[in-house]
Amino acid sequence: NAGVMQNPRHLVRRRGQEARLRCSPMKGHSHVYWYRQLPEEGLKFMVYLQKENIIDESGMPKERFSAEFPKEGPSILRIQQVVRGDSAAYFCASSPNPSWSYEQYFGPGTRLTVT
Amino acid sequence: GESVGLHLPTLSVQEGDNSIINCAYSNSASDYFIWYKQESGKGPQFIIDIRSNMDKRQGQRVTVLLNKTVKHLSLQIAATQPGDSAVYFCAEKKANAGGTSYGKLTFGQGTILTVHP
Repeated sequence: NAGVMQNPRHLVRRRGQEARLRCSPMKGHSHVYWYRQLPEEGLKFMVYLQKENIIDESGMPKERFSAEFPKEGPSILRIQQVVRGDSAAYFCASSPNPSWSYEQYFGPGTRLTVT
Repeated sequence: GESVGLHLPTLSVQEGDNSIINCAYSNSASDYFIWYKQESGKGPQFIIDIRSNMDKRQGQRVTVLLNKTVKHLSLQIAATQPGDSAVYFCAEKKANAGGTSYGKLTFGQGTILTVHP
């Protein structure tokens, strides 16, 4: 049973470019969370999505960041016009119905470097 | 403000010793707590969890203790091994109003555990 998959694992972008990060949840999971981790810090919640719905985006910056989880395909975290401060590790987690289990399974992360 | 924090940022132990990693939380509305282990370059790995209606839970070589009176959470690792070296995070989930129960987690800063052979 494959775990949460994220790609790319490493992404380098120049300032002003767009970054697209992909997350495929575990089989059977329809709930996806995105977190950002700066060096030597804990993970910070960004957004929670269910299939085709954004449930909570309280941790998302107001501009340049967007997320989606279409009916078919992976969840996408999109960062437009990246700046150096966007450099971080971005982790995706998935869970089954959170009414049954709160446990979240994390992917290996995408390390974004903005030059 | 609401936060989850750790008392000790680093912990060094000898192989075979028991390790205790502590975590303080400030949100009394939290109803679920998790400990994660993160190795360098990897995503967080679930270790053990506990709900707020419990004060102790045991797994394989690990025990989590929850003291709601002083809002304190700890992770005990028995017979620590070099493979246990990693950063350990506690995380909390706040009970949601209106009966919703989605699992947005708030993470602490982390404790670096180093196990010396």
